Amino acid sequence: GAGVSQSPSNKVTEKGKDVELRCDPISGHTALYWYRQSLGQGLEFLIYFQGNSAPDKSGLPSDRFSAERTGGSVSTLTIQRTQQEDSAVYLCASSLGGEWGETQYFGPGTRLLVL
Amino acid sequence: SQQGEEDPQALSIQEGENATMNCSYKTSINNLQWYRQNSGRGLVHLILIRSNEREKHSGRLRVTLDTSKKSSSLLITASRAADTASYFCATTGYALNFGKGTSLLVTP
Repeated sequence: GAGVSQSPSNKVTEKGKDVELRCDPISGHTALYWYRQSLGQGLEFLIYFQGNSAPDKSGLPSDRFSAERTGGSVSTLTIQRTQQEDSAVYLCASSLGGEWGETQYFGPGTRLLVL
Repeated sequence: SQQGEEDPQALSIQEGENATMNCSYKTSINNLQWYRQNSGRGLVHLILIRSNEREKHSGRLRVTLDTSKKSSSLLITASRAADTASYFCATTGYALNFGKGTSLLVTP
């Protein structure tokens, strides 16, 4: 596609429920990243996929968070047993080759609100 | 963990004026990038400056880098209302390490 797309745009859920957020990267980009932006907290790295390599999960805040990338393209970020502090904008980005310092292209984000 | 720290946190100027935002970081870098974010959603890449560069221009944007002081600045010249956004610096590994950003308001 022309750019990174994410769905849904907005998600409201109740505390304790599971949510899935989807990211479609730019076609041909081998690297995919998830970030979280909480109010007043800036942008926080969550997870990084590069090709068929094992993902870098070092930014995931807890074991309630997980992500998959199927077929080297679409990625799903899953948050289990959501908590109110999970409320944030979740941003996905992709880059061409996953090289160090490469420009990343961001999607519009999913705004998650946990009640 | 956050690497870049932008300063000021908020900046309000009138159209036509220049806007300068600063970024300080903590560790050695290969390059540093600046991004813009409108309305709290997706980020747009503005410019990348490599560690062996001191200054870079792109249109109305001018970025400087001082690796000895671990700082960078973004200058927007002849600002427009459309420049109203949050601006972030990011130091780069495989993932980006962002600061909390500078919120710029440009009033007509």
